[in-house]
This record gives sequence, C-alpha cells and structure tokens, in this order.
Amino acid sequence: DAGVIQSPRHEVTEMGQEVTLRCKPISGHDYLFWYRQTMMRGLELLIYFNNNVPIDDSGMPEDRFSAKMPNASFSTLKIQPSEPRDSAVYFCASRRGPAGVFGEQFFGPGTRLTVL
Amino acid sequence: AQSVTQLDSQVPVFEEAPVELRCNYSSSVSVYLFWYVQYPNQGLQLLLKYLSGSTLVKGINGFEAEFNKSQTSFHLRKPSVHISDTAEYFCAVRAAKSTGFQKLVFGTGTRLLVSP
Repeated sequence: DAGVIQSPRHEVTEMGQEVTLRCKPISGHDYLFWYRQTMMRGLELLIYFNNNVPIDDSGMPEDRFSAKMPNASFSTLKIQPSEPRDSAVYFCASRRGPAGVFGEQFFGPGTRLTVL
Repeated sequence: AQSVTQLDSQVPVFEEAPVELRCNYSSSVSVYLFWYVQYPNQGLQLLLKYLSGSTLVKGINGFEAEFNKSQTSFHLRKPSVHISDTAEYFCAVRAAKSTGFQKLVFGTGTRLLVSP
C-alpha cells in the first residue's frame, strides 16, 4: 500500500496568494483528517470528513481556509488569501472503521508551507 | 473534553542509556491512550496504544508504556536507546466511548535527542 500521499511536500508562496494542498488517502479508508502543526500550537485538527462529507470543521482557523473532498480518493485544503501566520506543516491522515471503534490513523508525510 | 500534557519539550540522552518520556492526561471519562513518533520530515507513526486490559503496553522498536489511572499518566520508556530513536514523540488521548466519533487530542510533543 502506498500510504497517505500529500502534495506538494514543500510550498513557498507570497502573502496574498492562493495555496492548495492535496491529499490522497489510503484506499478503503472512510475517514480523512487535516491537521496543522506549528511550534506554538502543536498539532491541531482542522477538519475531518467521513465518507467524503465534512463532519467537523470547528478547527478551521478562519474563512480563508476551506477543504473539500470530491471523492473517496482525493481531498484539498485551500488557503485564500494566504498570510505569513499560516506557515506550518499541514498533515493529512486517514483511517478506516465505524464510529466509536479505534482505527489507527495513518499520516501522510506533510506539506511544509512557508508564506513570505 | 480531554487534554494531554507532555512535561518535557526536549530530552537529551546518550546512546544505550534508558529513557522515559512523560505524559499526563485529563479526562472526565475513560480514555484510550497512544504514543506516536515523528521522524524528521515524516508524518506521525503509531508506536503503541492502550485500549484496555494489561496496563503495560509494548510497542514497536522496543518501546513500552504503562497506563496509571490513579496518576492519570502514560509514560513511555525504553531500556536502551539508539541514535535512530532521535525523533519527536507525541502522546495522544481520546475518549473511550462506544458511539460517535471521538477526536484524538495530541500533546505538544517531546523531542528525544540521542547522542553517541
């Protein structure tokens, strides 16, 4: 299995630009998560999907952030417009399992975003 | 809600020495507990988990952790570390409810630095 795939691995952009991060979950996994990791705040859950439907986006910091999952094998996290404080490592993770049962979350390698 | 405290942001240790990484949690309900490891420029990988049963849990790479309910702790230990164990270690907790999705809550991480 290829694992969770994220692209790009590194992104450097200028303030005000639109940024799109991409994720391909492990085949057969019905949950998908987007996390943000910073030195100040650690690892934060931004949003998660179940069967392609957004369930909880309470962690999304602002309206500048949006996430979609058009099908079971693809998700995007978009920041528009980007700001320097958005600089972080963004992780995508997926898992399989019915609600309430522990299913291991598998993490992708992350996208390191730098906003100048 | 659950919370996790990792008391040490960084733990330096010499190769072949024992190590303990501390984790305390807070929760009003029963919990599941986890340790994840993050190697440089990689995503998080599950080291071990406590769901129920024996309070001493063994994981990959020779790590083990002990669940102590009275002290609300889940410390990670290894009797003899290797240079390759240099990484960031995250403790995580989630409510052990049988219904509904339960979010993983991560600690801020402990950086283990193993030197020759």
